[in-house]
Amino acid sequence: DQQVKQNSPSLSVQEGRISILNCDYTNSMFDYFLWYKKYPAEGPTFLISISSIKDKNEDGRFTVFLNKSAKHLSLHIVPSQPGDSAVYFCAASLNYGGSQGNLIFGKGTKLSVKP
Amino acid sequence: DSGVTQTPKHLITATGQRVTLRCSPRSGDLSVYWYQQSLDQGLQFLIQYYNGEERAKGNILERFSAQQFPDLHSELNLSSLELGDSALYFCASSALGSEYNEQFFGPGTRLTVL
Repeated sequence: DQQVKQNSPSLSVQEGRISILNCDYTNSMFDYFLWYKKYPAEGPTFLISISSIKDKNEDGRFTVFLNKSAKHLSLHIVPSQPGDSAVYFCAASLNYGGSQGNLIFGKGTKLSVKP
Repeated sequence: DSGVTQTPKHLITATGQRVTLRCSPRSGDLSVYWYQQSLDQGLQFLIQYYNGEERAKGNILERFSAQQFPDLHSELNLSSLELGDSALYFCASSALGSEYNEQFFGPGTRLTVL
């Protein structure tokens, strides 16, 4: 049973417009939600995260919104650039004993930003 | 560059064989995690070590084992390999009390079992 779901396998956006990537989760005990970006033949690269006690976190062009009642989070990229084209993974973690737990990943959304 | 290194980058072997994947975490990171990425399953957590001790286990097969050494590097051992073990294997590390709770991933080892 998937605890973290990304229902859109792909998304295509025009350069300069907003990209919105969505993610749903089932476990209300998750402490943190993270977004990773992945290029082929490379490891995932951390983009931005949000604590479960917040509803928004912003870092430059990237903003993550968390809606706990809906168990939903989204990543907004504004403005989108061709270099943003990659696979984006949503992940959640359950921390315990003062250390970070493992990440539970969605299956990813492939973003294509067209010039 | 995440600061996490993994060797080898590619590994091609035959069914029934045993291989060892190696990971060096970022300097100072005590936690090491292993993940498997296969085509249909996405990124799946295998096992976590913290300062030399096993901390958590995920979907790790009994044919797989891991350890973390005193210098904090980690090895993932895969034995009696099957075709279905072909995948990308990632190692990640994290620091205690990180503000963003992030894990830093290495470039991965691509394992091909023929």
